[in-house]
Order: sequence, then C-alpha cells, then structure tokens
Amino acid sequence: QLQLQESGPGLVKPSETLSLTCSVSTDSITNSNYYWAWIRQPPGKELEWLATISFNGNTFYSPSLMSRLTISQDTSKNQFSLKLKSVTAADTATYYCARVRMGGGWGFQAFDSWGQGTLVTVSS
Amino acid sequence: SSELTQDPAVSVALGQTVTITCQGDSLRSFSAGWFQQKPGQAPVLVMVGKTRRPSGIPDRFSGSASGNTASLTITGAQAEDEADYYCDCRDNSADRVIFGGGTKLTVL
Repeated sequence: QLQLQESGPGLVKPSETLSLTCSVSTDSITNSNYYWAWIRQPPGKELEWLATISFNGNTFYSPSLMSRLTISQDTSKNQFSLKLKSVTAADTATYYCARVRMGGGWGFQAFDSWGQGTLVTVSS
Repeated sequence: SSELTQDPAVSVALGQTVTITCQGDSLRSFSAGWFQQKPGQAPVLVMVGKTRRPSGIPDRFSGSASGNTASLTITGAQAEDEADYYCDCRDNSADRVIFGGGTKLTVL
C-alpha cells in the first residue's frame, strides 16, 4: 500500500524558509500515471492547494503563492519537496503531501493518497 | 470566477439520503473531486466526477454534475459518514486546483 510521509521542522521563524520533504514508498515518483502535490490546511480552515510536480519534473504553482514556492523532486531518494520562503503567521498550517492520479482520466484534481500531514507553526 | 461554493453545513437522518453540492464556473469544464475529512485525519478521496470511485469507498457514495454544479450523494448515510466534505476542481483559467470551503455533514 502506498505510503507518503511528510518530514520537516514543526516550528519556523517569521521571514525564514519553510522546507518539507515527502518520502514515497511502494511507488515510484517517476511513474507516468501520477503527479505529486502539496496541500495545506490552516487550523480550522479549508484546504488550499499549493503546488504539483509531474513525474518528469514539470511544476505547477498556486498563483497567489508562486513567488514564494518551490517544489522539486529527488528521484534517487523517491522524494519530493516543498520550500516556502518569507513565511508569516498566515502560513501556519498542517501541510500534506499527496499523490495525484492522472492516469485513466482521473485528472489533475484527483488526490488519491495523502500523507498524515505535518503541522508547521510560524512563530518567533 | 475561480471559486467553488459549498453549503457550510448539512444534516441527514441515519439511513437516509443526503446530497452535498459544489458550485463554480470551472465545473462546466472539469470534473469535481470529493474528499471526506474526519477530525484530526487527512482527507480521503471518495469520488471524482460521476464514475470514478476509488477502491475501498462504499458504493453508497455517488457523484453527479450539471452545468456549474457538482453533487456528492450518500445513499443510506451511516454514522461513520459524519465528517467534513470538500470538493475540488481544476481551474479553467490556469493549471491549478481550487477547493471549496467544505461542508460539515452531521448524521442524526
């Protein structure tokens, strides 16, 4: 069964860069049927899509956060990562990594497997 | 518009049928995805469009769409269906994904 596991610091200071990694097991991030994504959820609020990376490294970003976001992949480790720079308290959220099921016509929005999420708090 | 609108809360009697709706212009072009989220847990994909139900999701969950509205129907709601439900869709003006604000489903 596919497993995704987020890792990274739980506390980040304002103005610094938030860095998270998603480790993927039992499936290759270069499988052409899937893309890989980051989604966040502030406490008590709705989900917000951040970024997606394709199996061959094409990237897609939320327009409102694009200037601060970088998504990347390390195929040798079967991991993908997110960096969000110049964070503020508004970036406090649970960050999820997820698989996007592209094959078979499921589509860009079909987040079919999720990590458990990691809470990142921005505070001095 | 690049937004998806959901009713904040819906309730259903145990064993009855309930429909959760999602409205937005992007739904005229792309299918909605539907996610169930229970407190303290990650979301779970329960439906995409009208026909794509992930394995392990009960067939009491079904999807439909018309015009700018997508719907998730639970036929014979169970106590374990009580959760927040989110829709999402690919935005028709860019390669991005938008989420609805979520609907809290209470099973009475």
